[in-house]
Amino acid sequence: QKEVEQDPGPLSVPEGAIVSLNCTYSNSAFQYFMWYRQYSRKGPELLMYTYSSGNKEDGRFTAQVDKSSKYISLFIRDSQPSDSATYLCAMDSSASKIIFGSGTRLSIRP
Amino acid sequence: GAGVSQSPSNKVTEKGKDVELRCDPISGHTALYWYRQRLGQGLEFLIYFQGNSAPDKSGLPSDRFSAERTGESVSTLTIQRTQQEDSAVYLCASSLGIRSDTQYFGPGTRLTVL
Repeated sequence: QKEVEQDPGPLSVPEGAIVSLNCTYSNSAFQYFMWYRQYSRKGPELLMYTYSSGNKEDGRFTAQVDKSSKYISLFIRDSQPSDSATYLCAMDSSASKIIFGSGTRLSIRP
Repeated sequence: GAGVSQSPSNKVTEKGKDVELRCDPISGHTALYWYRQRLGQGLEFLIYFQGNSAPDKSGLPSDRFSAERTGESVSTLTIQRTQQEDSAVYLCASSLGIRSDTQYFGPGTRLTVL
């Protein structure tokens, strides 16, 4: 079993829709939870970072962490074609070694 | 440019050859990380440096892989006797210190082993 599981998609939604991306994990020691966005042929860029359980909102993006269920989510409101990318969840217990999910390919249709 | 740079951007090599991949981190960043990303997969941790030392080499797949960093700056990832399964994008990231939230990634080197 992988430490972090993420549905690879692809996920295609119309512009303006709410997008929900999810990951599950098995290591209860994880405390830092991140979402990265990766455009084609580019390096990942950090979108959201949360510590422990709870919600964090930044503009159209909301990250949720449920440590009791070992489940994290990223919501994108009012999705735009420019949001089309691969989204990678990541988590960390030691602040030096991040474990990444396999990424979900998202496509927003104009 | 103030970001992380990597060279070459693309490398095609023949099986059995050695390759060197270079990473120039953001100036002043003491921590540097190497990851491998196979097609359609997430990032696989290889090694990280704090300054010039490498406290965690646990992700290196085999003894054909090695990395060094000099002067708390440039790092080189070397793959000896390349195999086809080494084909992947090799990503480098740097951060001010060892903190997950401040890792900045380079564009990667796409390695193809024929």
